[in-house]
Amino acid sequence: QVQLQESGPGLVKPSETLSLTCAVSGYSISSGYYWDWIRQPPGKGLEWIGNIDHSGGTSYNPSLKSRVTMSVDTSKNQFSLRLSSVTAADTAVYYCARHGSFTMVPPRSFDYWGQGSLVTVSS
Amino acid sequence: QSALTQPPSASGSPGQSVTISCTGTSSDVGSYNYVSWYQHHPGKAPKLMIYEVNKRPSGVPDRFSGSKSGNTASLTVSGLQPEDEADYYCSSYADSPLYVFGTGTKVTVL
Repeated sequence: QVQLQESGPGLVKPSETLSLTCAVSGYSISSGYYWDWIRQPPGKGLEWIGNIDHSGGTSYNPSLKSRVTMSVDTSKNQFSLRLSSVTAADTAVYYCARHGSFTMVPPRSFDYWGQGSLVTVSS
Repeated sequence: QSALTQPPSASGSPGQSVTISCTGTSSDVGSYNYVSWYQHHPGKAPKLMIYEVNKRPSGVPDRFSGSKSGNTASLTVSGLQPEDEADYYCSSYADSPLYVFGTGTKVTVL
């Protein structure tokens, strides 16, 4: 059973950098798939932030690209998100998730998710 | 980027059916058969219910079905059960960004 678990500070000050890690169990990141970050501001819908593959290749949402950095640590079977220069608009529940390429099953859909980590941006 | 448009709410009595629409554009729903649907009970991890427009992952009841016409996809839940009460989100592969989500629909079982 594949499981994902987010961890990181629940409170970040404005202008600082938000950092989250997603630990994966039940599946080796090195075996494939893409590893995503998705967020949900309070009372709003989901927003795709970006993803990373096992070799460190990334794709980011253009609206956040200038502030986002993702990394992967295959030895620890985890991947991370850094979002710089945060503002109150970045307050959200952050989810990590897995999705497959178009050749995988299920393709281009998020088949496993973490339970989410609430990050509040406030001084 | 614009989110896919879903109705804020939908409801039905146990045993009835409810259909949720998900309207996008020719840059996402209209161009790709990679529409998926997620069930989200607050505080829990979202769950994949439908992928590739109309396919169900193992373990998802066949009461859940999906379809697409043009720029609009739909999720139908037949034979509503109390445990179906949740938020539902659609998602589509897209030109840019790579994935867009719907605004979300709260399904209430009366």
